[in-house]
Amino acid sequence: DTGVSQDPRHKITKRGQNVTFRCDPISEHNRLYWYRQTLGQGPEFLTYFQNEAQLEKSRLLSDRFSAERPKGSFSTLEIQRTEQGDSAMYLCASSRGHVEAFFGQGTRLTVV
Amino acid sequence: QKEVEQNSGPLSVPEGAIASLNCTYSDRGSQSFFWYRQYSGKSPELIMSIYSNGDKEDGRFTAQLNKASQYVSLLIRDSQPSDSATYLCAARLAGGTSYGKLTFGQGTILTVHP
Repeated sequence: DTGVSQDPRHKITKRGQNVTFRCDPISEHNRLYWYRQTLGQGPEFLTYFQNEAQLEKSRLLSDRFSAERPKGSFSTLEIQRTEQGDSAMYLCASSRGHVEAFFGQGTRLTVV
Repeated sequence: QKEVEQNSGPLSVPEGAIASLNCTYSDRGSQSFFWYRQYSGKSPELIMSIYSNGDKEDGRFTAQLNKASQYVSLLIRDSQPSDSATYLCAARLAGGTSYGKLTFGQGTILTVHP
């Protein structure tokens, strides 16, 4: 059990560029979650998968955000045409069913 | 009304004291509850889970759940300076369109001073 792994750990991008983050869940965890967290706030739900199916996507998520989990293994989160308001920590978590969820180290995005 | 609410603090306690962290939730359909600890600049770390009414103890930590009052708490006994962090309460719904989604409060900042 190597834990949830996220890549990259830090990303600085210019406004208007596209970025993609990767998350590798704990092996055999069928659920994978994406959250966004800004300073002083709790993690904000973005989307989650059960195996390869995307079960829910936050209404707060604009069309610039898309997530995939091909073959129910790793997941990617893409943000198109980044804006300064997208600057945040992007957190991935995984769980086996609906019990405890464990987080990766996060990807800190800075849009300049 | 927020789905999960916590007092943002900061809560300051002396070393060796009991720290009491509280959380309320709005959706009676919530069935599973979790406490995470988050150090500054780091990701949340799971410290406790609780699924049924009553108390659950793990070392210096005790989680308490009262579904009738929609209230969850975390007690930290013999608080240490290393316990200084933000504590996040999370709830998971058992059914409906948001089945499985974890919803977090904004977190309570705890400071344990020597």
